[in-house]
Amino acid sequence: SQTIHQWPATLVQPVGSPLSLECTVEGTSNPNLYWYRQAAGRGLQLLFYSVGIGQISSEVPQNLSASRPQDRQFILSSKKLLLSDSGFYLCAWGRQGLGYGYTFGSGTRLTVV
Amino acid sequence: AQRVTQPEKLLSVFKGAPVELKCNYSYSGSPELFWYVQYSRQRLQLLLRHISRESIKGFTADLNKGETSFHLKKPFAQEEDSAMYYCALSGRNTGNQFYFGTGTSLTVIP
Repeated sequence: SQTIHQWPATLVQPVGSPLSLECTVEGTSNPNLYWYRQAAGRGLQLLFYSVGIGQISSEVPQNLSASRPQDRQFILSSKKLLLSDSGFYLCAWGRQGLGYGYTFGSGTRLTVV
Repeated sequence: AQRVTQPEKLLSVFKGAPVELKCNYSYSGSPELFWYVQYSRQRLQLLLRHISRESIKGFTADLNKGETSFHLKKPFAQEEDSAMYYCALSGRNTGNQFYFGTGTSLTVIP
C-alpha cells in the first residue's frame, strides 16, 4: 500500500534561518507531488507541484522553493525564513490522471520566531 | 479562472439534525469535485468524490452543474462528524491540480 511520510512534525526556526522540509512517498511510482500551506481562514494554498523528477511548478511567488531530487522525494526549502512563512505545511501525492484524490502527509507546523 | 467557495466558515448543528455544508465552484469545463475532511489531530483525508457517487460515513454530495454546486449532506449528524471540511476541484484545465475552498468547521452539539 502507498504511504506518505512528512517530517518534522513541528519546527521552530528564527527569522533569517534556512528551511528544509522533506516528504517521501512509498508504494507507488511517478506520483504527482504537492506542497500546500494551510492557514486559518484561508484554507489550503497550493505552493508547488511536481509531475516528475526535476519538474517543479510554482503557484505562488514567495520566499520558498521546492525540489524533487528523486521520484518519490519532494523537498520544500527556504534560504532565509520570514515571519510570514509560519504556518502548517502539507505534502500530498496523487496519481496521474483525473478522478483520483490526494493523499496527504501529516503536516509540519512551522513557527518562525 | 477556477474557484471553490465555501461560504460558511463555522457551522454548528445538533446531534441527529440534518447537516449541509455548502460548496460552490467556478470552472469552465467538466470539473471533478471532492470533499476532504480533517478530524482533530488527524491528517487531511479524502471523504468522497463526485464521480464515485458514493456515500461515505452517511455523507453524500451531488454535483449540480446548473447551480455549480457540490454541497455535502448528511441526514442525521453525529458527534464524530465534528471536523474541518474542505471542498476541492480538479479538472483538465487545472493540470491535475486541486483547488480547495477555505473550509468549513463543523461542530455537532450533543
